[in-house]
Amino acid sequence: NAGVTQTPKFQVLKTGQSMTLQCAQDMNHEYMSWYRQDPGMGLRLIHYSVGAGITDQGEVPNGYNVSRSTTEDFPLRLLSAAPSQTSVYFCASSTRLAGVWNEQFFGPGTRLTVL
Amino acid sequence: DAKTTQPNSMESNEEEPVHLPCNHSTISGTDYIHWYRQLPSQGPEYVIHGLTSNVNNRMASLAIAEDRKSSTLILHRATLRDAAVYYCILRGTNAGNNRKLIWGLGTSLAVNP
Repeated sequence: NAGVTQTPKFQVLKTGQSMTLQCAQDMNHEYMSWYRQDPGMGLRLIHYSVGAGITDQGEVPNGYNVSRSTTEDFPLRLLSAAPSQTSVYFCASSTRLAGVWNEQFFGPGTRLTVL
Repeated sequence: DAKTTQPNSMESNEEEPVHLPCNHSTISGTDYIHWYRQLPSQGPEYVIHGLTSNVNNRMASLAIAEDRKSSTLILHRATLRDAAVYYCILRGTNAGNNRKLIWGLGTSLAVNP
């Protein structure tokens, strides 16, 4: 298993550009989520999904869109990039056993800089 | 959402045990206590989780207080590779509180050779 993969690893955007961060997992996990991590900070939840066709907002959803058309993929779209979105983005997935969400598996991250 | 409190930083010597504390005084009866760690320039990785009883796995042990208001992650013999930020997080089992994990700043562990 490749686990959770993210592309690209690094990206530089200009203010106002749009782009999609890709996330895929091959573990058949129902739950997927996107976090951002700013320097010296903990992770903040952007959006999450508990299954294909189901998404919901986290703590900091503004400026980001998600969709979940398949179990495997959970792309994160930046609509109009702003310098405040400069951050490291992590995608994570987990599965559920007996109604309890298990450990989260994280991708390696995408380091985004918005100029 | 129930919050956790951890010391900002701790220091240990290589091959000595490390006890990382976490306070969660507002924990509810169905919240699981999860620990993750994040090595420099990497994504977080799962360490251990528990509900009421102490738990052991190949990476660490989790000691949970009887009243569940605090817990301690125990690394039995610290290595240089254990230098990381350790996060203590509560995860509920109800539909409303099990989907959003609230991450604090964690404890930055330094391991001296």
